[in-house]
Amino acid sequence: EIVLTQSPGTLSLSPGERANLSCRASQSVSGSYLAWYQQKPGQAPRLLIYGASSRATGIPDRFSGSGSGTDFTLTISRLEPEDFAVYYCQQYGSSPLTFGQGTKVEIK
Amino acid sequence: QVHLVESGGGVVQPGRSLRLSCAASGFIFSSNAMHWVRQAPGKGLEWVAVMSYDGSHEYYADSVKGRFTISRDNSKSTLYLQMNSLRAEDTAVYFCAKDRRDSISWVFDPWGQGTLVIVSS
Repeated sequence: EIVLTQSPGTLSLSPGERANLSCRASQSVSGSYLAWYQQKPGQAPRLLIYGASSRATGIPDRFSGSGSGTDFTLTISRLEPEDFAVYYCQQYGSSPLTFGQGTKVEIK
Repeated sequence: QVHLVESGGGVVQPGRSLRLSCAASGFIFSSNAMHWVRQAPGKGLEWVAVMSYDGSHEYYADSVKGRFTISRDNSKSTLYLQMNSLRAEDTAVYFCAKDRRDSISWVFDPWGQGTLVIVSS
């Protein structure tokens, strides 16, 4: 089973700042089959990125994904107030699919 | 607009059963694979089960295999999760989610709001 480790656990930033979230896999993720989800308190997760770098429908271009192999990054270029949330990465290149433990982006 | 509404959650004793439902609208339900994903209180996400668009394929997480059964009724645009022999560790919010593609791509988009299952004596 591929273990995904997200860092940092919590990221304290101000609106307008850039956020870089890391997702490191215990072994290479086949085909860059990695997705990112955003979850706000009391809400369902929302798909942001799939295939490591493809934005889902309706996702603003301030969200971008990059990486391959074992190291992946979600970047939010300029944080908007609605972007403060928990972010999860998910690999689907190997069975069983697995999620990271999440990174919380909080207002500084 | 895709809309997924889960129901059927509640408090149940260990060893008992519960059936969850997910009513879908806003898309051609019979054309998409569908998943269940759960989240224990204050914890991360865990994929539970998937069923292909026509019900011909189903897969389960090891943690629920042999106890949970996923099914669908395409005539009613509804997904189900039959949960038997429930354990305390099954306590979670259960989300249904549409697969991003018609085949099983293992990417979830979108998700319903979830239904809470509490397994407790």
